[in-house]
Amino acid sequence: DAGITQSPRHKVTETGTPVTLRCHQTENHRYMYWYRQDPGHGLRLIHYSYGVKDTDKGEVSDGYSVSRSKTEDFLLTLESATSSQTSVYFCAISESMASGDNNEQFFGPGTRLTVL
Amino acid sequence: AQSVSQHNHHVILSEAASLELGCNYSYGGTVNLFWYVQYPGQHLQLLLKYFSGDPLVKGIKGFEAEFIKSKFSFNLRKPSVQWSDTAEYFCAVPTSGTYKYIFGTGTRLKVLA
Repeated sequence: DAGITQSPRHKVTETGTPVTLRCHQTENHRYMYWYRQDPGHGLRLIHYSYGVKDTDKGEVSDGYSVSRSKTEDFLLTLESATSSQTSVYFCAISESMASGDNNEQFFGPGTRLTVL
Repeated sequence: AQSVSQHNHHVILSEAASLELGCNYSYGGTVNLFWYVQYPGQHLQLLLKYFSGDPLVKGIKGFEAEFIKSKFSFNLRKPSVQWSDTAEYFCAVPTSGTYKYIFGTGTRLKVLA
């Protein structure tokens, strides 16, 4: 498995509180992603990063912000958690986006977040 | 816009049955295609990928997929499934012009022992 860790692995929080999830990689890959996975919705992209300090929104970015101050860390912040943000969050990394042999994504173990 | 569609949402098979899961994509440029597997309670893992060469790609655990350009398809196959293949399977493509990937909605496979 690629060197990707996510912390925390489980979190229960209350509505209205800020929450930060961390993704850490040891692969020195350029691209990092945050997805959420919910029953019936598959994987949905929240935000992604294509380099240090370079980030962009995905399809479900409302209520989330991200930061990437160094290659190995990509933080996802729920500014004011809501019950609709209860989900499993996966981080993913990719070395390249060019067509070829090294453009697959590798996924972290996930963070299960419950917002009460 | 690029898209990926998986036609089978839920599949139930008995052990030793053959498996074929459909994946169709809409993209006319250079194609890279992936199949990922997610076992219950785990993260997605790469099963196999195609980016060039032989259109019949072999992956881990006896899975294979065939890229058929004329049909815009990349179906996943396994001749004889096992109970341990119970999982959700996702087809995916990287997009062109962005840094994103598009995932299909997934197919839940249940293999009965």
